[in-house]
Amino acid sequence: GAGVSQSPSNKVTEKGKDVELRCDPISGHTALYWYRQSLGQGLEFLIYFQGNSAPDKSGLPSDRFSAERTGGSVSTLTIQRTQQEDSAVYLCASSPPGLAGGSQYFGPGTRLTVT
Amino acid sequence: QQQVKQSPQSLIVQKGGISIINCAYENTAFDYFPWYQQFPGKGPALLIAIRPDVSEKKEGRFTISFNKSAKQFSLHIMDSQPGDSATYFCAASKQAGTALIFGKGTTLSVSS
Repeated sequence: GAGVSQSPSNKVTEKGKDVELRCDPISGHTALYWYRQSLGQGLEFLIYFQGNSAPDKSGLPSDRFSAERTGGSVSTLTIQRTQQEDSAVYLCASSPPGLAGGSQYFGPGTRLTVT
Repeated sequence: QQQVKQSPQSLIVQKGGISIINCAYENTAFDYFPWYQQFPGKGPALLIAIRPDVSEKKEGRFTISFNKSAKQFSLHIMDSQPGDSATYFCAASKQAGTALIFGKGTTLSVSS
């Protein structure tokens, strides 16, 4: 079946612009996660959704970062007034409900470059 | 504070050998420990995971060993193959389905 998909695969933006990154989870997966991967910081958790609500937003680095999920499916991560330190690969993952809920399946990521 | 410490940073193993990657954690509230494999340009892929009520879990050539008292766990790759060359990440979470805290990763190179 189809895995987690993310778009765009690459995004180059100028400092100060806003960007939106999209994630389509695996069908039927109730939980959705955003992580960021950079050379200096490794893989960092940003936010997670259970259905449309976000019980844990503790990883969002600043108020320039926000995310929403609609219909228990697609999620959008928005970064306002981008800075060069926002350059990274943004990864989305989803997991199924029930006993298998620990297994997080990752998408290919969106590589964001802020110039 | 790094909650999950992974070593070594890089590893070179001969084809057919055993690759061993170690992780240590501080938070005793962690109760789910997965390992991920990542190839360049791809997202991490779940390899194998363990919960602290067992000391070992094996899936094919991959084995997790878990030592609760030492707060350590390791990944063993038996009969390592060139196709296993990738970056491996250990992770931990307080509850399956919540945020994963990752180690810094180990780059494995299997020479033929």
